[in-house]
Parts: sequence; C-alpha cells; structure tokens
Amino acid sequence: DAGITQSPRHKVTETGTPVTLRCHQTENHRYMYWYRQDPGHGLRLIHYSYGVKDTDKGEVSDGYSVSRSKTEDFLLTLESATSSQTSVYFCAISESRQDGEKLFFGSGTQLSVL
Amino acid sequence: EDQVTQSPEALRLQEGESSSLNCSYTVSGLRGLFWYRQDPGKGPEFLFTLYSAGEEKEKERLKATLTKKESFLHITAPKPEDSATYLCAAYSGGYQKVTFGTGTKLQVIP
Repeated sequence: DAGITQSPRHKVTETGTPVTLRCHQTENHRYMYWYRQDPGHGLRLIHYSYGVKDTDKGEVSDGYSVSRSKTEDFLLTLESATSSQTSVYFCAISESRQDGEKLFFGSGTQLSVL
Repeated sequence: EDQVTQSPEALRLQEGESSSLNCSYTVSGLRGLFWYRQDPGKGPEFLFTLYSAGEEKEKERLKATLTKKESFLHITAPKPEDSATYLCAAYSGGYQKVTFGTGTKLQVIP
C-alpha cells in the first residue's frame, strides 16, 4: 500500500471554517499529490509536491493551499471551506522502479462542508 | 486538452461471463497508461502501467492491452469479488499531467 496514511478519514465541517487534511508516508517518496474525486469527474489534481517546501498547483487548486515541511507529511488546507469542496480527497505518491512507474493512493478523506 | 473516456459506465456480468472494458484516450505524447481498481469507500488500487502500443500485462483474471488510441481491460471468467469500479488514467510528462477517466462500475452476479 506504499505506506500512505490519510487523516482524518471522515470530516464534517461548516462553510467558512478552515480545514486541514494530512497525508503521511513512511517510505521517503519525493513526490506527493493531492487529488479530489467527485461523481461524474475523474480524479483531479489539486496540488503536488516534489520535495520539502517545493510545491506547485494542479488543475483545481483554487481555494486550497498545501505545505510540506517534512518529507513524510503533506498537508492540504482549505482556508475557508465551501460547499463545493465537499468531496473525497486522496493523497498519492509516485514511484519509478525497475518494474515500472506507479502512482499509489491512500485510503481517502471524505469531507462534507455544510 | 488531454481526455480519457471510459466505456461502458456500468457493466453487469454473470459469474464466468468474460468481457472487456474500454479506455479511449487523447493525450499528447503518451508516456504511460494506468489501470486501477477501486472498491467503495477505498482508494484506487494500482493494477497495471502500460507504456507502448502492443503491450499487454496480466494479473489473475485481468489482462490489460494498449493501442495507440485505446486500452482494454479484459476480464476472463469473472467472479463476484471482481466487482468494483475500474479506472484508467493516461499521463504525459510528469505525474502532474495524469488525466483520469470516470471509471466503469463492474458488477459480477453469482
């Protein structure tokens, strides 16, 4: 499972409140990603990181910020949550090995913004 | 703009009834194509990466193939435990350029 842990698994919050989701990995992967999954859409990239303090925007980055102060932790913050950010959020890591390139996902965080 | 389209959206099979799922892609400079299995309430589980037309990979009852415009996931003699949503994703450049399809929901009836 590539050693990815997401927390919390479920979160209910109110519009306008800040929310932080955490992704923790145990295998020293350089690249980490945050995706959201919504009905009728494929998984969409929010932000990604290519090293400590090195991050960049993805396809749907508006309203989100990220931080990576340690290799193992990648945080996703919704500064002021909106109902449109109700979604399932997945963290991912990428690997390039002898047997090929792979993108592994965590178990996800179900976020509901009321 | 890169696009990935999966069909059908949903598929219902009898146990043992083989079939194929389709993933059509329009990606500039395809570097690879992923297949995943996703169970309800869980994250996508990696199955395969394909890189070039003509390539095939197998895992148990699943075989993935790739052409220049499509990929197929063939399911041979499926069992109820193969029921899941199957996702494909095409990428070019780095992993920040991965485009996912919306998935095929497979149900295998005993």
